[in-house]
Amino acid sequence: ELKVEQNPLFLSMQEGKNYTIYCNYSTTSDRLYWYRQDPGKSLESLFVLLSNGAVKQEGRLMASLDTKARLSTLHITAAVHDLSATYFCAAHAARGAQKLVFGQGTRLTINP
Amino acid sequence: SAVISQKPSRDICQRGTSLTIQCQVDSQVTMMFWYRQQPGQSLTLIATANQGSEATYESGFVIDKFPISRPNLTFSTLTVSNMSPEDSSIYLCSVAGYEQFFGPGTRLTVL
Repeated sequence: ELKVEQNPLFLSMQEGKNYTIYCNYSTTSDRLYWYRQDPGKSLESLFVLLSNGAVKQEGRLMASLDTKARLSTLHITAAVHDLSATYFCAAHAARGAQKLVFGQGTRLTINP
Repeated sequence: SAVISQKPSRDICQRGTSLTIQCQVDSQVTMMFWYRQQPGQSLTLIATANQGSEATYESGFVIDKFPISRPNLTFSTLTVSNMSPEDSSIYLCSVAGYEQFFGPGTRLTVL
């Protein structure tokens, strides 16, 4: 059974700093997702990572995938207050299955 | 990307009653999923709704408590039956293609 674990679960950082959120998953999965959730809102899709070594960037966020290590990272560069949110990673429960198993979420607070 | 709508967006219900949540997608999709997000928690899959067959439930969720309908390829409903305060959560439907998209959610409070 696939398990997905994120760390840290809570992260408070200053504007302008860099940081990384880690997402480990326990068994082989063919797709890794990153989502953002603002308080009281639904999930916004950020990245979909398919293959080993995949790297995607959007603005100050960059996601990568290492399928051998079963690890994905979400790197935040020069953080700004608007990036404060909860970030979830999720993986397909099994190869070819579309249902998702989510990590616990990382609550990110960026202080001026 | 798919556009997903849910009704109602929020509701406050009394213990012992039932609520049906609707999910509408702007394109035909094979599979729709229903997730629950309890306060301050992550998302947990309740069931997969397949058109033309019974829903597939995850461990810990049963049809009597969460009956699901899937009458066509663009619509599904989830009913939360005989509610208790523990059912207070956000319920989200989602659809999968290249990506997986989520509806805006239904925030349910049970008193």
